[in-house]
Amino acid sequence: KAGVTQTPRYLIKTRGQQVTLSCSPISGHRSVSWYQQTPGQGLQFLFEYFSETQRNKGNFPGRFSGRQFSNSRSEMNVSTLELGDSALYLCASSLRSGVGGELFFGEGSRLTVL
Amino acid sequence: TQLLEQSPQFLSIQEGENLTVYCNSSSVFSSLQWYRQEPGEGPVLLVTVVTGGEVKKLKRLTFQFGDARKDSSLHITAAQPGDTGLYLCAGLTTSGTYKYIFGTGTRLKVLA
Repeated sequence: KAGVTQTPRYLIKTRGQQVTLSCSPISGHRSVSWYQQTPGQGLQFLFEYFSETQRNKGNFPGRFSGRQFSNSRSEMNVSTLELGDSALYLCASSLRSGVGGELFFGEGSRLTVL
Repeated sequence: TQLLEQSPQFLSIQEGENLTVYCNSSSVFSSLQWYRQEPGEGPVLLVTVVTGGEVKKLKRLTFQFGDARKDSSLHITAAQPGDTGLYLCAGLTTSGTYKYIFGTGTRLKVLA
């Protein structure tokens, strides 16, 4: 079956702009989580959505937001971009939420902020 | 704040050598997973350990969960170039809400 698809794969923005990233989970998976990966901080949890509801949120400022649609596809948005937002943003899907199952990751969206 | 420290951060070894990667925390986790990430790809699950003291083997890889469920190790026997990648441990925390805390990562390079 098709894996997790993230778009776009690469993008370049300038400070102050906003960006929207998209994630299509594996068919049948209802949980989508987002992570930020940087060389210095590793993988940091952003938020998790399940059945269109945000179930959990990491320690990121309000500039980072997300949503999930009825077909389980998810988007995350970062407003007023800062240089420090440059990172690989990974989306992971799983069958259920909160039971410690396997996370299936996409290839990520690499964001560069100039 | 729950943290998972991995050591070493970087490891470069010759093909055929053995190695161990450690994942340590002061917090207790319900379960712990190990992932491997290759350049340009997302992490891929290798194993999940749930019970304190549990040992799992996956071909040349041996995973152990500490008795107190605060630490874990990954041992690779006779490393091969195909083992090259970023190894990440991830602990499932259930304090408050369920979420995964990822370790700082160990970047392994196996030279032919």
